[in-house]
Amino acid sequence: KAGVTQTPRYLIKTRGQQVTLSCSPISGHRSVSWYQQTPGQGLQFLFEYFSETQRNKGNFPGRFSGRQFSNSRSEMNVSTLELGDSALYLCASSLISGKLYEQYFGPGTRLTVT
Amino acid sequence: GESVGLHLPTLSVQEGDNSIINCAYSNSASDYFIWYKQESGKGPQFIIDIRSNMDKRQGQRVTVLLNKTVKHLSLQIAATQPGDSAVYFCAEIISSGTYKYIFGTGTRLKVLA
Repeated sequence: KAGVTQTPRYLIKTRGQQVTLSCSPISGHRSVSWYQQTPGQGLQFLFEYFSETQRNKGNFPGRFSGRQFSNSRSEMNVSTLELGDSALYLCASSLISGKLYEQYFGPGTRLTVT
Repeated sequence: GESVGLHLPTLSVQEGDNSIINCAYSNSASDYFIWYKQESGKGPQFIIDIRSNMDKRQGQRVTVLLNKTVKHLSLQIAATQPGDSAVYFCAEIISSGTYKYIFGTGTRLKVLA
């Protein structure tokens, strides 16, 4: 069974630009969660989508948004990029919403903002 | 691959010895805890979990201990192997209403041959 895939794996953007990251969950998984990981803050929860609906949201500004498609694939968008948005962005999928112990993580997208 | 936690505290352990990794959690309302392992270039991997109504839970070569009095969580790895080298971090979850997740920054475990 294929794991969670994220594209692209690496990305370099300039301040003020916007970026879209993609996540394909494990086949059959309907929940996709997004996280930001930085050395200083560790892992931080962004949001979770289940059956195309946002089910939970972390404490991030509105510049961070996401969506989920009918095939459960999800995209995350960050507008007006700031230097502090440089991070590893991880997505995780699971069968059921809100069950961290059932989540499988992708390898992440490394975003560098210059 | 990506390196996670360039400036994390490091625990160096001889192969075959036991490892103990600690985590102080912040919220007394947290009712569920998870330990994750993250290898370089990979996403986090679930290791073991424990509910707040338990003090101890054992898995294969791993044990998690929970001390709610001092809000402390530990992960014990028995007979540490080279494949255990990774960053380990804990997560606390508050599950009343909308789930709230708080993750620790982690500890890097280095297994010495």
